[in-house]
Parts: sequence; C-alpha cells; structure tokens
Amino acid sequence: KAGVTQTPRYLIKTRGQQVTLSCSPISGHRSVSWYQQTPGQGLQFLFEYFSETQRNKGNFPGRFSGRQFSNSRSEMNVSTLELGDSALYLCASSNHWGAGGTYEQYFGPGTRLTVT
Amino acid sequence: KNEVEQSPQNLTAQEGEFITINCSYSVGISALHWLQQHPGGGIVSLFMLSSGKKKHGRLIATINIQEKHSSLHITASHPRDSAVYICAVTFLTSGSRLTFGEGTQLTVNP
Repeated sequence: KAGVTQTPRYLIKTRGQQVTLSCSPISGHRSVSWYQQTPGQGLQFLFEYFSETQRNKGNFPGRFSGRQFSNSRSEMNVSTLELGDSALYLCASSNHWGAGGTYEQYFGPGTRLTVT
Repeated sequence: KNEVEQSPQNLTAQEGEFITINCSYSVGISALHWLQQHPGGGIVSLFMLSSGKKKHGRLIATINIQEKHSSLHITASHPRDSAVYICAVTFLTSGSRLTFGEGTQLTVNP
C-alpha cells in the first residue's frame, strides 16, 4: 500500500503571496490532519478533516484554511504569506476519526515552505 | 492547560547503551504516541499506548496513567537510532487532535 504523499516537497514563496499544499492519504483512509513544524514552536496542530468536513481546528489565524475532497485528498491554503509561515507542513492520515482519539496516524514526508 | 513535557531535550549515548526518554502530560488522555523523526523531516509512528507496555524489537514503551507519565526505552542502542523522538498525546477533551512534546534529540556514537 502506498504511503501518505505530499506535494510539492519544497516551495519558496514571497511575502504576501498565497500557497496551496496537497496531501493524498493512504488508500482507504478518510481522515487527514495537518500540522506545522517550526524550530521555535515545534509541532502544532492545524486542522483535521473527515469525510470532507473539518472536524477540529487549531489556534491559527484565518489565513490558514483547508478542504478535503470526496476521494479523501486534502489541500491546505495559506494566504498573504508572512515570514513566520516558513515551516515544514506535515499531513497525516488515519482510517478512523472520532471520540477517543486512539487511532494511529501515518505521516507524509512533509512540504518545506520557505517564505522570503 | 493541556501540556506535554519531554526530557531530556538532548541525549548523547555510546553504542550499546540503554536509553530512556521521558514524557509527562497535564490532564487525562485517550492515547499517547511515540514518534521518530529523522533528518529531512519524515515522521514514523513507533507506538500508540493507552495503558501498560508495548515492545517492538529493541524499543519498549510504557505508560502509567495514574502518574500521567510515559517512558520510551531503547536497548542496545545503535547509531541508526539517532533521531528526534517525539511524545504526542490525544487529550480526552480534544478528540483525535495530537498535542506534541518538544522532542528529544538522540545521538548515538559508534
């Protein structure tokens, strides 16, 4: 079974631009979560989607948004990029969602975004 | 406040040594995860625990729910174990959302 894939792997953008990152989950997985990793803040939860609906959202400004398609692929978008948005963006998929949170998550390789 | 703390932040060992990384959390959880991250960023899930102890090869993970504490042990450490080890939990009030510790940078010298 193919793992979680993320595209692109590397991206350089300029302040003020917007960016869209893509995540394809493991076949059959319907839950996709997004995380941001920076040297200063570590790993932080962005949002989680299940069956095309956002189920949970972290403490990020409205410039960060996402969506999930009927084939479970997910995209996240960051508008009006700031220097502080430079980070590794990771997505993870799971074949469950819901109360309890006892489901293993499988991580993709990440997209490294640099904002100049 | 829902928090996760790991110790130590950095750990250097000689090949063959027994290694322990600790994780504590503030409030009730539904599960605790131990993750491994190699240079380049990819994260691999090592264990998911809600009670007791799990073993996989040279890796052992334990959790004490009453004390809100977990440990990751590596027996007979090897240079290929060098990586960042991250503890993450799903709090009872947060569904399946992961909250992460700061990570432990492990370096095993030959």
